[in-house]
Amino acid sequence: NAGVTQTPKFQVLKTGQSMTLQCAQDMNHNSMYWYRQDPGMGLRLIYYSASEGTTDKGEVPNGYNVSRLNKREFSLRLESAAPSQTSVYFCASTEGARGDYEQYFGPGTRLTVT
Amino acid sequence: DAKTTQPTSMDCAEGRAANLPCNHSTISGNEYVYWYRQIHSQGPQYIIHGLKNNETNEMASLIITEDRKSSTLILPHATLRDTAVYYCIVLGSNYKLTFGKGTLLTVNP
Repeated sequence: NAGVTQTPKFQVLKTGQSMTLQCAQDMNHNSMYWYRQDPGMGLRLIYYSASEGTTDKGEVPNGYNVSRLNKREFSLRLESAAPSQTSVYFCASTEGARGDYEQYFGPGTRLTVT
Repeated sequence: DAKTTQPTSMDCAEGRAANLPCNHSTISGNEYVYWYRQIHSQGPQYIIHGLKNNETNEMASLIITEDRKSSTLILPHATLRDTAVYYCIVLGSNYKLTFGKGTLLTVNP
């Protein structure tokens, strides 16, 4: 059981470049989430997917798009990266559709935009 | 959604109990209290959650006051590996976790 996996682990982008962060879970969970964490701060929710085929905005969605490809996979896309998007990105999943079960987090993707 | 207040940092001696407080005075009757921790830039890890009654699992105990305005996470025998940022979160009506800055617990040898 790998749990929640994220790729890549590290990425450096130039301003204006695009990229997709990948997330997969093997726990048959319904809900998946994308968070970002800036230095010295708590996590902030970017987007979430309560079930396959649905996505909703979180606290800080601007500049991002998401795709719930299937029940296992939830990707986060930066169409035109900006230095303000330099952060650590965490993906998480949980069993329930409402998010009231414990969330399992991936190891994170460390993104630097220059 | 109810906000939480936690101390910025705490120290604990290895082998002793670590008691981490959290205030959530605006919590509603059906809102759960969750605790997560984050060890050195890893992904957060779920610890425990509760509604009204005290809860215990293999990692920790959660004591919630009778009026539910505050709670305490107890790590009974802290080890160096318990050094982490601990987040107290009230799960709001939208069922989304809102992470504050948490408490940095440092366990000293």
